[in-house]
Amino acid sequence: EIVLTQSPTTMAASPGEKVTLTCLASSSVNYMYWYQQKSSASPKLLIYYTSSLASGVPDRFSGSGSGTSYSLTISSMEAEDAAIYYCLQLTSTPITFGSGTKLEIK
Amino acid sequence: EVQLVESGGGLVQPGRSMKLSCAASGFTFSNYGMAWVRQAPTKGLEWVATISYDGSSTYYRDSVKGRFTISRDNAKSTLYLQMNSLRSEDTATYYCTRDTMGILDYWGQGVMVTVSS
Repeated sequence: EIVLTQSPTTMAASPGEKVTLTCLASSSVNYMYWYQQKSSASPKLLIYYTSSLASGVPDRFSGSGSGTSYSLTISSMEAEDAAIYYCLQLTSTPITFGSGTKLEIK
Repeated sequence: EVQLVESGGGLVQPGRSMKLSCAASGFTFSNYGMAWVRQAPTKGLEWVATISYDGSSTYYRDSVKGRFTISRDNAKSTLYLQMNSLRSEDTATYYCTRDTMGILDYWGQGVMVTVSS
């Protein structure tokens, strides 16, 4: 099973601040996917195939990485970005998610 | 507009069964793989099972293998999850999600399953 380790676990950012979230895989994966979950809503796809922006997602979000190291970047934090962010790998079964990063607004 | 609407959840006793449904609309259901993902209260996301577009291939996480069955009825555009021998650790919100070429792109609103005596 590929374990995804997200860091930090929790963080707070000020409006306008650049934010970088990290996801490390225990084995190499082909792509990484990123989701945003607010309150008790269903997860929303942000990034697919490591760096492609999902439809309707603001371009302040971006993804990068390869192999075992991936990141999600918010170029300029906004209040509405406060949420939990999960990474996901679909390279091998079982499909696994990271444990999430809780991002708060300062 | 793509819509996925789960139903069938509720309170069930340990060891009993429950069947979840996910009604799909706004796309050609028979062209897409589908999956179930769950989230225990205050916990993270956990993949449960996946089924191919035609139902010929299914995959499960180890903890539900032999107890849960994912299936689909393409004529009804509906995805199912039959859950048997339920345990307290199966308590979660269950989401159905569409698989578009390896992307879990659309998710339902979720349905809560509580396993408790």
